[in-house]
Amino acid sequence: EAQVTQNPRYLITVTGKKLTVTCSQNMNHEYMSWYRQDPGLGLRQIYYSMNVEVTDKGDVPEGYKVSRKEKRNFPLILESPSPNQTSLYFCASSPPGVSNQPQHFGDGTRLSIL
Amino acid sequence: AQKVTQAQTEISVVEKEDVTLDCVYETRDTTYYLFWYKQPPSGELVFLIRRNSFDEQNEISGRYSWNFQKSTSSFNFTITASQVVDSAVYFCALSGWWDSSYKLIFGSGTRLLVRP
Repeated sequence: EAQVTQNPRYLITVTGKKLTVTCSQNMNHEYMSWYRQDPGLGLRQIYYSMNVEVTDKGDVPEGYKVSRKEKRNFPLILESPSPNQTSLYFCASSPPGVSNQPQHFGDGTRLSIL
Repeated sequence: AQKVTQAQTEISVVEKEDVTLDCVYETRDTTYYLFWYKQPPSGELVFLIRRNSFDEQNEISGRYSWNFQKSTSSFNFTITASQVVDSAVYFCALSGWWDSSYKLIFGSGTRLLVRP
């Protein structure tokens, strides 16, 4: 089954404790991205990657890191999480021609930073 | 700058009513793409439709229809004879390349509640 898999689905942690949210897709998509969803703001792009070793900032990259060492995986790293990063996070992927392709989203990761 | 506005924060209708969700976008480019996604209470994001800026043809898919008007920069979504299962948050989104970066810009969403 074609899918984007995020882990964990839920996480409660404390300020400053490094965490990684994994994202993996099995569709051989070149493009992957991360979004955060906050009430009243919709989804905002954090980082995206057009291919292996190619990443770029989205609209809200501060406090986040990403890497793309292999095509299927695109982890999101919070080196020193803070309460304002409490949010619902989505990973997505799409085939080439990203701007006109619908993105396939994971089921989301709900992070709570205390 | 690019922007998507969904002015309706919440809409509540009774089953079988028709409902239109508004989406207004801003961009100076001539090439861009518009999307609608549905987020049911379970939380996942479901793709509904894609439109490119050169195709103003309206589209109908079952009870769903979309009206794209470049003259008013709008891409509205109508559900005919709404059902309880249509209850969800609906997002309109704009995508394209700006400042050498790819962007997918979402509106703030419209929460639709369909009451039995």
